[in-house]
Amino acid sequence: DTEVTQTPKHLVMGMTNKKSLKCEQHMGHRAMYWYKQKAKKPPELMFVYSYEKLSINESVPSRFSPECPNSSLLNLHLHALQPEDSALYLCASSQVGGGNTEAFFGQGTRLTVV
Amino acid sequence: ILNVEQSPQSLHVQEGDSTNFTCSFPSSNFYALHWYRWETAKSPEALFVMTLNGDEKKKGRISATLNTKEGYSYLYIKGSQPEDSATYLCASAGGGYQKVTFGTGTKLQVIP
Repeated sequence: DTEVTQTPKHLVMGMTNKKSLKCEQHMGHRAMYWYKQKAKKPPELMFVYSYEKLSINESVPSRFSPECPNSSLLNLHLHALQPEDSALYLCASSQVGGGNTEAFFGQGTRLTVV
Repeated sequence: ILNVEQSPQSLHVQEGDSTNFTCSFPSSNFYALHWYRWETAKSPEALFVMTLNGDEKKKGRISATLNTKEGYSYLYIKGSQPEDSATYLCASAGGGYQKVTFGTGTKLQVIP
């Protein structure tokens, strides 16, 4: 199984809602990532978890809260988002956290904040 | 170069043509260079990860080269096929080696 599964595929939420994005992999990878991609822009790194510990937070606003409950799961909790947070959110995993290993990506969650 | 830059932004080629794209990245604190293919409505798929200056990698009709001293990589596609139509992203890992920075991609369309 070389899949990274993200749910939901699409999400529309209001600015006062709380929602969560989920990501799952069963490849035994010990590094997991959240990226954000706005239209016509490159994916931007948000968070990196290595061995279930947060190792990189790219100065992401606190309305985004990551969680890694175990080595297979990665969540992104969303609260009080703004319309400008509307984007494609991609999850990825890799064997170890170094930048020299290929990453496996999910299909993303298309988030719209209204 | 502070960012990862790719050119051209988009490209239309005829089936059977060979083509190439460029990725420019910061040469200081270089750790690794990734190439991904991203088809519409699918996940980005890793093509190559390269670390050494002068590296050349090949997968079928696709190959890539790396020059870490001057900070560029080329991706070549030989005999383009319609199924090669996708956005090709490069990403540089450097300074904080887990931190991977993506370019904006080259969108390739192969016309049958």
